[in-house]
This record gives sequence, structure tokens and C-alpha cells, in this order.
Amino acid sequence: GESVGLHLPTLSVQEGDNSIINCAYSNSASDYFIWYKQESGKGPQFIIDIRSNMDKRQGQRVTVLLNKTVKHLSLQIAATQPGDSAVYFCAEVSGTYKYIFGTGTRLKVLA
Amino acid sequence: NAGVMQNPRHLVRRRGQEARLRCSPMKGHSHVYWYRQLPEEGLKFMVYLQKENIIDESGMPKERFSAEFPKEGPSILRIQQVVRGDSAAYFCASSASGTQETQYFGPGTRLLVL
Repeated sequence: GESVGLHLPTLSVQEGDNSIINCAYSNSASDYFIWYKQESGKGPQFIIDIRSNMDKRQGQRVTVLLNKTVKHLSLQIAATQPGDSAVYFCAEVSGTYKYIFGTGTRLKVLA
Repeated sequence: NAGVMQNPRHLVRRRGQEARLRCSPMKGHSHVYWYRQLPEEGLKFMVYLQKENIIDESGMPKERFSAEFPKEGPSILRIQQVVRGDSAAYFCASSASGTQETQYFGPGTRLLVL
């Protein structure tokens, strides 16, 4: 289930189940959104992006959904694997280059 | 390795010393961004540079912090007279252009100020 810890919210998922990580963004003018995965001690790794003229985009085992009405972004990971354990950040971009990152969600995959 | 390179990966400094963090962008990228990350937090934008130009330094403290991206060589983030509050992970990202291009991140430099 999902819980809020002292710092990062944590989502615990059984291996093989699907994961859904949510993100509320702040600026209704944002028109480009990106999901990053950050493993411990490493830099953020690009997963998938979506522009505001779309509401869904699929990659390999991942899907991003964008709901501009409620300023909500979600990342769905199919058949979650132990290697998916990491912190996931969404970033929004309005204008050209300045990324605004969310606080992140820690995904824990249970064997 | 065509990815973004950062060095050093770990840097320990005593209060009052200088810290120099280096970033080599991905091959073919001429836009560099620096971000700072505190433990259990998201990344915060500091500065955006193109070759020989600072485009936006609105996220960088006015004092003690400076950044450059010379014509030749890596981008440098310089912190003078470090204080304990400067302890953080500093990430560099690069993109091919500055217009809603995906930014690719390096592995970061973890600065610890004693």
C-alpha cells in the first residue's frame, strides 16, 4: 500500500504486480512533463516524457497518463520487478528549460 | 561512455574552503544545467549555461556560488568559503538545445562540508 513516511512517500508493491505512482504538478501552464528514476547514490535516469497535447504515452513496461484538468500525472509500471525499486520523480516544464521537480515517491518491490 | 560525466563523485571540504565541481556534457550537447538535491528531496534548479554564457542563474545563491562553461573544457560549479549547509548532492544535466529538450543527468557530486 501507500504510506507517507517522515520524508518521501513510499509505495510498496509485490513483485509482478503493477505499480502506479502519482504526481500533482503545480503550474497549469506547464506543457512538458518527464518521469525520472533515481537509484540510491546515482543521478536521475530518464524514463518517459509526455507533452501537454497528449494524455497518454506508452513505453516499454511504462505508461504515463496526463490529466490537465486536475493537474495530475501518473506513471504506471507493468509487472514490477526488483530492479524497479528506486525513487521516482516527476518534473514539469513551462516555458523552455526550467525543470521543476516533485518531491518524489520511493517504490519498494517486495519479493 | 557518451553520458554526462561529473567529477569528483565525492568531495569533502572543511568550512571556509573552496569546492569545485566539474561537469562534461553528453557528446553533442551544448546546454548545461546544475541542480542541487538535499537528502529525501527533489532536485532544485540552480543555473543554466550555454558555451561561454550564463543564461539563467536565478536558482543560485548570489554569494559564494558561481558557474561557468568555457569554450573548451567542462562546466564548473564553484562554491567559495563553504558552510555546512552547502552539503548536498549536486547534479549536472545536459541537453542538445534549451527548448523543452530532455535533460540527461550525470551521476552527481556529493559534497560534504565538515
